[in-house]
Amino acid sequence: GENVEQHPSTLSVQEGDSAVIKCTYSDSASNYFPWYKQELGKGPQLIIDIRSNVGEKKDQRIAVTLNKTAKHFSLHITETQPEDSAVYFCAAVNRDDKIIFGKGTRLHILP
Amino acid sequence: KAGVTQTPRYLIKTRGQQVTLSCSPISGHRSVSWYQQTPGQGLQFLFEYFSETQRNKGNFPGRFSGRQFSNSRSEMNVSTLELGDSALYLCASSLKRSVSNTEAFFGQGTRLTVV
Repeated sequence: GENVEQHPSTLSVQEGDSAVIKCTYSDSASNYFPWYKQELGKGPQLIIDIRSNVGEKKDQRIAVTLNKTAKHFSLHITETQPEDSAVYFCAAVNRDDKIIFGKGTRLHILP
Repeated sequence: KAGVTQTPRYLIKTRGQQVTLSCSPISGHRSVSWYQQTPGQGLQFLFEYFSETQRNKGNFPGRFSGRQFSNSRSEMNVSTLELGDSALYLCASSLKRSVSNTEAFFGQGTRLTVV
């Protein structure tokens, strides 16, 4: 079935350094790729998204890249701050509007 | 403006029972989607309702059902509860249907424990 693989499951980076989370999807018909941030005790929040006709998108310290040929996409967070500590989920949406999530990455920002 | 409200926040039920969870969307939002979150399976899409009609459905058994009312509030029901149904159930609301066309705002979830 359709699947989204997300790596790593846990990531620790020094404050100020960059963090990269990678996802691979199986359904080549997927056309929309959102990223969510979930803080403790809260629901996920959309932080950035990218569509299949775009290769890269940036919003301040956050950027997402998409390689359709390889079917993978990545989240890049630069100049990490303590408030970036959370669980991050990637997702892929196919043409039937079904959303499949990755298993999540727990990001720890070390002081 | 008020966010997505889910009630109750916590629930403990016994195997075999049924449960109903409630979701009040952001005012003006007509789409409500439900998700199950577990440590093992992660976040999984259950179903989406828009204008009181189920528009999309994930791969869950028929024990999981839902409905949406004319004021866009939604309920989901799980019958004949199993231990594996223990999870955080999240709902999200959005202005339009289709997760790729509109931002979805999540509630804090209902933590269901089946014993």
